[in-house]
Amino acid sequence: DTAVSQTPKYLVTQMGNDKSIKCEQNLGHDTMYWYKQDSKKFLKIMFSYNNKELIINETVPNRFSPKSPDKAHLNLHINSLELGDSAVYFCASSSGTSGRGYEQYFGPGTRLTVT
Amino acid sequence: GQSLEQPSEVTAVEGAIVQINCTYQTSGFYGLSWYQQHDGGAPTFLSYNALDGLEETGRFSSFLSRSDSYGYLLLQELQMKDSASYFCAVRGNAGNMLTFGGGTRLMVKP
Repeated sequence: DTAVSQTPKYLVTQMGNDKSIKCEQNLGHDTMYWYKQDSKKFLKIMFSYNNKELIINETVPNRFSPKSPDKAHLNLHINSLELGDSAVYFCASSSGTSGRGYEQYFGPGTRLTVT
Repeated sequence: GQSLEQPSEVTAVEGAIVQINCTYQTSGFYGLSWYQQHDGGAPTFLSYNALDGLEETGRFSSFLSRSDSYGYLLLQELQMKDSASYFCAVRGNAGNMLTFGGGTRLMVKP
């Protein structure tokens, strides 16, 4: 009964490749997020998305793009991978702006290594 | 912009009480959250303060002073399993985007 799941757990790839990370939540939440955690454990928001609005952190390169086929899924596509993209990527979800929308549930993370 | 400051590391012994402080400078503020992350694990939600005062949840309590742009997480009756990183995070807008502090690594010793 995993609440937020991500695949793959580990991803090793070469510079210049394009890759995707998948995220699914079964909590019925309407808002999903992507975070990047670097080697110093600094956690940074990349995107916030619900069925109405995509909010992009202005520091995120446009090589990164979220794709949402439906409310329960938010995938992360990365073009032309660079060494600096190596990090752990976390997907998260929340119930949006009402109720306990401030409480975010995180997936287990995807460790991306670019060589 | 947003910036949050918290100590990088704290060490305490089992059974003790520890306080992790967080100061923030933000262009917008809706509330302050705390998350726990064990090594190799995902962040998990601990608490949220939107208004001034103390919120208690079991052994953990969180405090907020909006006028001082300051909050803290208080952990009581420390256990070895509390060894983890603790992050404060500001909810800066109604869209629930969180800006995280750099994290405080708590080491609990026997």
